[in-house]
Amino acid sequence: AQSVAQPEDQVNVAEGNPLTVKCTYSVSGNPYLFWYVQYPNRGLQFLLKYITGDNLVKGSYGFEAEFNKSQTSFHLKKPSALVSDSALYFCAVRDGSGYALNFGKGTSLLVTP
Amino acid sequence: EAGVAQSPRYKIIEKRQSVAFWCNPISGHATLYWYQQILGQGPKLLIQFQNNGVVDDSQLPKDRFSAERLKGVDSTLKIQPAKLEDSAVYLCASSLAAGARTDTQYFGPGTRLTVL
Repeated sequence: AQSVAQPEDQVNVAEGNPLTVKCTYSVSGNPYLFWYVQYPNRGLQFLLKYITGDNLVKGSYGFEAEFNKSQTSFHLKKPSALVSDSALYFCAVRDGSGYALNFGKGTSLLVTP
Repeated sequence: EAGVAQSPRYKIIEKRQSVAFWCNPISGHATLYWYQQILGQGPKLLIQFQNNGVVDDSQLPKDRFSAERLKGVDSTLKIQPAKLEDSAVYLCASSLAAGARTDTQYFGPGTRLTVL
């Protein structure tokens, strides 16, 4: 079975500070990992994905994520947070045997001015 | 490039009524997904189509939910009869290739269903 865990329901950060949203995964075989962002009353927007290769993945809007195989983690990061980054963030995983994306429960990010 | 389109955006119905949702994927995308997102949870896959064939419907409550994708393009998801626990956002997504597990899924804005 494949799954992801997002241990924090909410992350609060001041504008201009670095942000981290945590994700750990459990799969059999090689993981394909994704981050999506959801703004109120909107669908999910793709940020970035890890398939293979370089452990540091760069994505949209200045976000990046680091794949750590030994810690089975894929944390989302941004060097300097913006108020407009406030939204719900979802980590998702797919293993090599299936097609379905398994999503975490989401982490609400609040960036204060 | 136009994104995934869904309609309606909002729907309120009484329990035991029926409802249908429509999705138009990104042009040329072979694979289409329907997800259910209950408040406070991540999306859960209901059904996946590759062209107009079903790949995975293992989590679709088949006694009340049905879906079709005619001609491998548009898709409809139907609930009949609806229950209170069906209140959720129904998300449609599409991806380019058929059978590529590394493909990115692109999501539509969703349909928010409220069952009273």
